[in-house]
Amino acid sequence: ELKVEQNPLFLSMQEGKNYTIYCNYSTTSDRLYWYRQDPGKSLESLFVLLSNGAVKQEGRLMASLDTKARLSTLHITAAVHDLSATYFCAVANFGNEKLTFGTGTRLTIIP
Amino acid sequence: GAGVSQSPSNKVTEKGKDVELRCDPISGHTALYWYRQSLGQGLEFLIYFQGNSAPDKSGLPSDRFSAERTGGSVSTLTIQRTQQEDSAVYLCASSLEEGAYTIYFGEGSWLTVV
Repeated sequence: ELKVEQNPLFLSMQEGKNYTIYCNYSTTSDRLYWYRQDPGKSLESLFVLLSNGAVKQEGRLMASLDTKARLSTLHITAAVHDLSATYFCAVANFGNEKLTFGTGTRLTIIP
Repeated sequence: GAGVSQSPSNKVTEKGKDVELRCDPISGHTALYWYRQSLGQGLEFLIYFQGNSAPDKSGLPSDRFSAERTGGSVSTLTIQRTQQEDSAVYLCASSLEEGAYTIYFGEGSWLTVV
């Protein structure tokens, strides 16, 4: 059974600092997704990572994938308050479209 | 519309009643998913539809839950004889087709069973 673990579960950080959220998964996978969720809102797609070594960046967020280590990271650079949200990673395989989600990381950016 | 549309956005129902939740996927998207999000269980897969293929129902928690997709577009999730543990946000999502494409989520239907 595929299991997805994120850490940390909660993260408070000051504006301007850098930090990384980690996503580990237990079995071989072909795709990894990162989503953002604001309170009371739905999931906003951030990144889809498809291959080993894939790196994608959007603004202050950068995601990478190491399929050999079964690890993805979401790096936040020079955090700003607007990035406060819960971030989820999710893993799927081709031929099995079910997404297995991590527990989420609740990020709070402190001015 | 431009995104995945779900209705109702909020539903309060009495224990034992049946409820129907509706999802309109993004136009042209052949893949449709239902997920459930609750405090205790996180985000759980419920069911997946792809084109005319048989749906993957492996995530449905009991036989009180069923879903259908008519004409390859609109989907309805039905919960019969609701229980308090069914209270959750039910999220619908769609993607262009199975595989690598981005999966877009709707705003969800918040279900409260009292």
